Amino acid sequence: AQSVTQLGSHVSVSEGALVLLRCNYSSSVPPYLFWYVQYPNQGLQLLLKYTSAATLVKGINGFEAEFKKSETSFHLTKPSAHMSDAAEYFCAVSGRVTGGGNKLTFGTGTQLKVEL
Amino acid sequence: EPEVTQTPSHQVTQMGQEVILRCVPISNHLYFYWYRQILGQKVEFLVSFYNNEISEKSEIFDDQFSVERPDGSNFTLKIRSTKLEDSAMYFCASMLFSGEQETQYFGPGTRLLVL
Repeated sequence: AQSVTQLGSHVSVSEGALVLLRCNYSSSVPPYLFWYVQYPNQGLQLLLKYTSAATLVKGINGFEAEFKKSETSFHLTKPSAHMSDAAEYFCAVSGRVTGGGNKLTFGTGTQLKVEL
Repeated sequence: EPEVTQTPSHQVTQMGQEVILRCVPISNHLYFYWYRQILGQKVEFLVSFYNNEISEKSEIFDDQFSVERPDGSNFTLKIRSTKLEDSAMYFCASMLFSGEQETQYFGPGTRLLVL
């Protein structure tokens, strides 16, 4: 079974400041990890994913995340926040089960607010 | 860029009525999913579909729900007798591969309101 915990349902940063959104996972098998972003009244857009190559993963819009097995974490960061980054961010995990196509288990989401 | 599409974008229905939510996955994708998001809550897995059969379903996906890929392009979710608690945003997703290249692409969702 897999699960993710996102610490902080709401995060507020100033424009230009570092963005750090936290995600910890639990998985009985080696995980695949994802961050998705949801803008108001829109669907889910993939930001980045970890599947087993580099532990530091770069995504779209300047976001990156680092897989740390020892800490079971996959925190999302961006060096400098922009107003357009305001959205809800979801961390998700799936298991590495061969075949069948694995379901995503989502965290509860973190609403990012960017202030001037 | 190919994308997953869903229709309708919004649907209002009376309790007890049947609804069919439609999705057109990305062409040549092999795996298909439905998820839902009740307002203010997290996205929850409903069902996955591969090789013309359900590969996994959640506890939510009871006998009132069914999925179908009727014509090789559409992927539908049917709710036979809707309940108030079925009100949610329903997302369809599709994926080409399982494994290292695994990425699920989501549609924009159908907002279902049951009155």
